Amino acid sequence: RKEVEQDPGPFNVPEGATVAFNCTYSNSASQSFFWYRQDCRKEPKLLMSVYSSGNEDGRFTAQLNRASQYISLLIRDSKLSDSATYLCVVNLISNFGNEKLTFGTGTRLTIIP
Amino acid sequence: GAGVSQSPRYKVAKRGQDVALRCDPISGHVSLFWYQQALGQGPEFLTYFQNEAQLDKSGLPSDRFFAERPEGSVSTLKIQRTQQEDSAVYLCASSLDEAGYIQETQYFGPGTRLLVL
Repeated sequence: RKEVEQDPGPFNVPEGATVAFNCTYSNSASQSFFWYRQDCRKEPKLLMSVYSSGNEDGRFTAQLNRASQYISLLIRDSKLSDSATYLCVVNLISNFGNEKLTFGTGTRLTIIP
Repeated sequence: GAGVSQSPRYKVAKRGQDVALRCDPISGHVSLFWYQQALGQGPEFLTYFQNEAQLDKSGLPSDRFFAERPEGSVSTLKIQRTQQEDSAVYLCASSLDEAGYIQETQYFGPGTRLLVL
């Protein structure tokens, strides 16, 4: 079983729609959680951190459920520029004391005009 | 300011050839990470440096992979006797502080796309 699991999609969504992604993680000792965005042939970039209380950044809302070990991302009023791969990322402290980001395979989103 | 840079951006190698991939982290960043991203997958952790010390190399897939950061800034990932399964994008990331208790954002470079024929 993968440590971080995501539906790879693709999700093809009309412009202006709301879209939600979920992600599950297997290690209950995971420390922190993120969503990264990766455009085609580009490097991953941090989209937002995810907190248990839920957090919002403009049209983006992230939620963490530690009991069920899942993370969600909601995008409202989707824009063409939201087309990208969204990577669910879990941060563990390794046996060596450093953080280790563990990435899901990513969910590919295409916004259709 | 300048971000993380990597070179070369693209590398084609014949099977069995040795390759060296370079990473220039953001100036002053203590932590440096290497990741491998296969096609259609998320990045996978390879190794971690705190300044010049390689504290975690648990993700290196075999002893053909070797990384160094001798002066605590530029890092090189070397792959010896490359195999076709080594074909991937190799990403470098750096963060400001020690990667542990303090959670610092990792900034990724554009990656080196390696193709082994």
